[in-house]
Amino acid sequence: AQKITQTQPGMFVQEKEAVTLDCTYDTSDPSYGLFWYKQPSSGEMIFLIYQGSYDQQNATEGRYSLNFQKARKSANLVISASQLGDSAMYFCAMRGMNTGNQFYFGTGTSLTVIP
Amino acid sequence: EAQVTQNPRYLITVTGKKLTVTCSQNMNHEYMSWYRQDPGLGLRQIYYSMNVEVTDKGDVPEGYKVSRKEKRNFPLILESPSPNQTSLYFCASSLGATGAKNIQYFGAGTRLSVL
Repeated sequence: AQKITQTQPGMFVQEKEAVTLDCTYDTSDPSYGLFWYKQPSSGEMIFLIYQGSYDQQNATEGRYSLNFQKARKSANLVISASQLGDSAMYFCAMRGMNTGNQFYFGTGTSLTVIP
Repeated sequence: EAQVTQNPRYLITVTGKKLTVTCSQNMNHEYMSWYRQDPGLGLRQIYYSMNVEVTDKGDVPEGYKVSRKEKRNFPLILESPSPNQTSLYFCASSLGATGAKNIQYFGAGTRLSVL
């Protein structure tokens, strides 16, 4: 079975500080993809960052980076220099490439950036 | 503009009255999917399609039907809606099924209430 776990229902961070949102996953598939999405209060789902299980380096996209620790099965999202507009729900997701074509999402973390 | 379009955005209906939520993408994506989002549960996959005439069940397919007769369209059908199908629904699509082609792009969502 494949599963994504986000253990932080809510997080607070001071503006301009960095924050780490935790994500652990469980899969027996040796080839998989990991994704992070942002959902602001307006409701849309915005793709942030992607990491493949065979990628040698951690993915980065602007202020977002993915701290990928394969042995620990963790894929934490790091947001540097937080902005007020970063306040949103954040979802971690996974797809195993060899065990079907389903996507699995975590339950999300609500991030609030404090001025 | 590349996009995934869902209609309607909001829908209130009564138990047992058949309804269809449409989803269309203009990016020539092969993979399309439907999710429902409920508080505390994250996003759960209902159905997905790898290509025309190919559909598969996700985690929560009961009470839903889909079809993929054309590459761009992937409607979600509720033959006999019940109150437990009250939820926020998202359609998503991705270019393919490997590597970064897996990145899904989401529609704006359909908020459904079944009375």
